[in-house]
Amino acid sequence: KNQVEQSPQSLIILEGKNCTLQCNYTVSPFSNLRWYKQDTGRGPVSLTIMTFSENTKSNGRYTATLDADTKQSSLHITASQLSDSASYICVVSALDTGRRALTFGSGTRLQVQP
Amino acid sequence: NAGVTQTPKFQVLKTGQSMTLQCAQDMNHNSMYWYRQDPGMGLRLIYYSASEGTTDKGEVPNGYNVSRLNKREFSLRLESAAPSQTSVYFCASKVSGSYEQYFGPGTRLTVT
Repeated sequence: KNQVEQSPQSLIILEGKNCTLQCNYTVSPFSNLRWYKQDTGRGPVSLTIMTFSENTKSNGRYTATLDADTKQSSLHITASQLSDSASYICVVSALDTGRRALTFGSGTRLQVQP
Repeated sequence: NAGVTQTPKFQVLKTGQSMTLQCAQDMNHNSMYWYRQDPGMGLRLIYYSASEGTTDKGEVPNGYNVSRLNKREFSLRLESAAPSQTSVYFCASKVSGSYEQYFGPGTRLTVT
């Protein structure tokens, strides 16, 4: 069964600090991996999308890494801001049956404190 | 350009009542999706529509029906609501050939 596990479930950091969120998956055959940011009461918004051949992708202060061999990804947030407080969701897509085959992690809830 | 819009934002139903959740997108996307999000779980696909006139079941379709009214609109209907359908419902859309899905703001539904 395709699964996406994220850790930690929740995290509290001080403003200005860095943090790294983890995502492990068992989805096969792999197509792409996405990180979404979901603010409270809002829909998810895409941060990055990586395919098999990409192992690093940045979007401002967000940097995602992908190791397709170990089936792990991380999202690194640099110099955190209060506005980074949100849930971060890892989503993995399988090949071919893409319409049905998005597997969502349950998210990491990040709280940035002043 | 509003993106993906959903109505209503909040709804409380009694067990057995019916209702329709509305979704519209103005990005000329072909594909549209309905998900539910429950505490401690990832989003789960209820139904999707790859193009106007087609709909298919997702992971958790029981208790729901959908209508792709036209290219812009994709509605989700609960014929007889149950407490297990208490959830936050998200609509999403994407253009064919792209990985990127765009989500609406969600509808928070409570069934008592």
